[in-house]
Amino acid sequence: AQSVTQLGSHVSVSEGALVLLRCNYSSSVPPYLFWYVQYPNQGLQLLLKYTTGATLVKGINGFEAEFKKSETSFHLTKPSAHMSDAAEYFCAVRTHGYNKLIFGAGTRLAVHP
Amino acid sequence: SQTIHQWPATLVQPVGSPLSLECTVEGTSNPNLYWYRQAAGRGLQLLFYSVGIGQISSEVPQNLSASRPQDRQFILSSKKLLLSDSGFYLCAWYTALNTEAFFGQGTRLTVV
Repeated sequence: AQSVTQLGSHVSVSEGALVLLRCNYSSSVPPYLFWYVQYPNQGLQLLLKYTTGATLVKGINGFEAEFKKSETSFHLTKPSAHMSDAAEYFCAVRTHGYNKLIFGAGTRLAVHP
Repeated sequence: SQTIHQWPATLVQPVGSPLSLECTVEGTSNPNLYWYRQAAGRGLQLLFYSVGIGQISSEVPQNLSASRPQDRQFILSSKKLLLSDSGFYLCAWYTALNTEAFFGQGTRLTVV
């Protein structure tokens, strides 16, 4: 069965600091991995995804994530946080050919001046 | 282009009343459709998914049901709402042409 664990339900960083949001997954076969962002009372917007190929994927708003099979991780990073990055971030996994998209519990990112 | 519509945006319903939330997708055919619930501090819980008309898979036993009467229409229902049904409900879709899912704007349901 697939599962996703996001370490840290709340992360707080200073504006300009590195953002690191952690995600570990469990899947018996090679997964598709996703990071979504949610602003208050809105739906989810895709930040980036890994399907196959290059393990370092770049997304919107300066975010990137690296798929590490040996560590079963897909951590999200951004070199320099902006105030506008404050939101909730969700990591998700889906196995190729499998119909369920499973989400982690989410990490709320706060950015302070 | 593909779009997903979800309504209403907000809903306040008394305990014991019925519920019907609707989700429709435009610009694609035979999508996989999903209902998720987001309760405060609990992430996104998959409630139902559907791979075709009339085909519904339920992920958790609960007070809710889902139906897919048409290819691009997905309905979430309840005969009698409970307080615990309060939450933010999200509809999503994807097809074999995409790898990611696309989400509606959500419905904020408050049961009072």
